Amino acid sequence: QVRLVESGGGVVQPGRSLRLSCAASGFSFSSYGMHWVRQAPGKGLEWVAVIWFDGNYEYYGESVRGRFTISRDNYESTLYLQMNSLRAEDTAVYYCAKSTDDYSDAPDYWGQGTLVTVSS
Amino acid sequence: QPVVTQPTSLSASPGASARFTCTLRSGLSVGTFRISWYQQKPGSPPRYLLRYKSDSDQQQGSGVPSRFSGSKDTLANAGLLLISGLQSEDEADYFCAIWYSYTWVFGGGTRLTVL
Repeated sequence: QVRLVESGGGVVQPGRSLRLSCAASGFSFSSYGMHWVRQAPGKGLEWVAVIWFDGNYEYYGESVRGRFTISRDNYESTLYLQMNSLRAEDTAVYYCAKSTDDYSDAPDYWGQGTLVTVSS
Repeated sequence: QPVVTQPTSLSASPGASARFTCTLRSGLSVGTFRISWYQQKPGSPPRYLLRYKSDSDQQQGSGVPSRFSGSKDTLANAGLLLISGLQSEDEADYFCAIWYSYTWVFGGGTRLTVL
């Protein structure tokens, strides 16, 4: 079965960087697009980024564009999110999710999430 | 004006049906979008329920019962999630999402209370 396990969350000061990882198993990772979606405490879902199956294309939400970078290692079946210049408003649970297709289609399977807290 | 708008809450009785709306901003036509729906219970990640654009372009999530279905209200310019035979376990937050201008946009979510 599809399994997605996020890691790398924690408490970080404003302006600093953090890198999240998502270990995937149970499906052909290199054949699917992958997403990051976040959820601030008590709030709704906010889409962060998507990367195509081959890593050739990436798209970002407006609030993170230019600060966050999504990447993937198809040999290691791992998805990454490099987060730079972090702000208090980036505090959220970050979910890794598999796309329904090889490009940018809707997320279907989701991990349990990792909490990022940006605070001084 | 947000790209998609959802009512904040909805209440219904066990055994009844629930109708969730996801209204697109003026200028966007619901007929041109695939609308995806998610269920989220407290402390859990979202669960993909289904995607609907038309009767010939729809997809049910893995293991999702057929009492969850999608539709559209063209006059209201809204995507619909329909749940029949409500059960107490359906109490959750429900989010819609569309792919718009090379980004995924989620609605703010509707909290369903089954009472």
